[in-house]
Amino acid sequence: QQKVQQSPESLTVSEGAMASLNCTFSDGTSDNFRWYRQHSGKGLEMLVSIFSDGEKEEGRFTAHLNRASLHVSLHIREPQPSDSAVYLCAVRNYGGSGNKLIFGTGTLLSVKP
Amino acid sequence: DPKIIQKPKYLVAVTGSEKILICEQYLGHNAMYWYRQSAKKPLEFMFSYSYQKLMDNQTASSRFQPQSSKKNHLDLQITALKPDDSATYFCASSQDIWGGSQNTLYFGAGTRLSVL
Repeated sequence: QQKVQQSPESLTVSEGAMASLNCTFSDGTSDNFRWYRQHSGKGLEMLVSIFSDGEKEEGRFTAHLNRASLHVSLHIREPQPSDSAVYLCAVRNYGGSGNKLIFGTGTLLSVKP
Repeated sequence: DPKIIQKPKYLVAVTGSEKILICEQYLGHNAMYWYRQSAKKPLEFMFSYSYQKLMDNQTASSRFQPQSSKKNHLDLQITALKPDDSATYFCASSQDIWGGSQNTLYFGAGTRLSVL
């Protein structure tokens, strides 16, 4: 069973400074990697979905995937206090139904004004 | 306005009782899901439905029974509740069941269940 680990558990950055979050997965059986965020008391919001090695940008959010290293990262450019939330990494296995995802435990991001 | 409505937002139940968690989506999607988030654990896939038919079930216990009376409804009935069932239950939906770069999964705000 695929395992997904996220680091750090929590991260505090100043407004405007780049925020970088990491996610490692345990094997190469996944074909899709996603980043979600969850504001307190709210549902999950998808930020980026990436299928191939390299980079995928969606506005201020950029995901970097390196399958050989079993690693996907999320970089948030010019973070704002409203970006303070829990960020979740999720992976989907080959042959799985479209949205059966395996999630990490999350990184709590705090952005200070 | 939220497009996936989950009711109630909070629920307290006693051990051994039965509860139904409600989910309705107004996105016109064909696939619906339940995920569970227990304290200190990752969000965990439970069920997926496509056109009101069960596609995948990762829940070991038969105490958890999804119910789909309409295409845009997927309720979750939980019987013989145990304290370990305490968690936030998220309903989600997507255009179709099979993944693709455009097949985004949308989540509701969740129902937080506490079993005493």
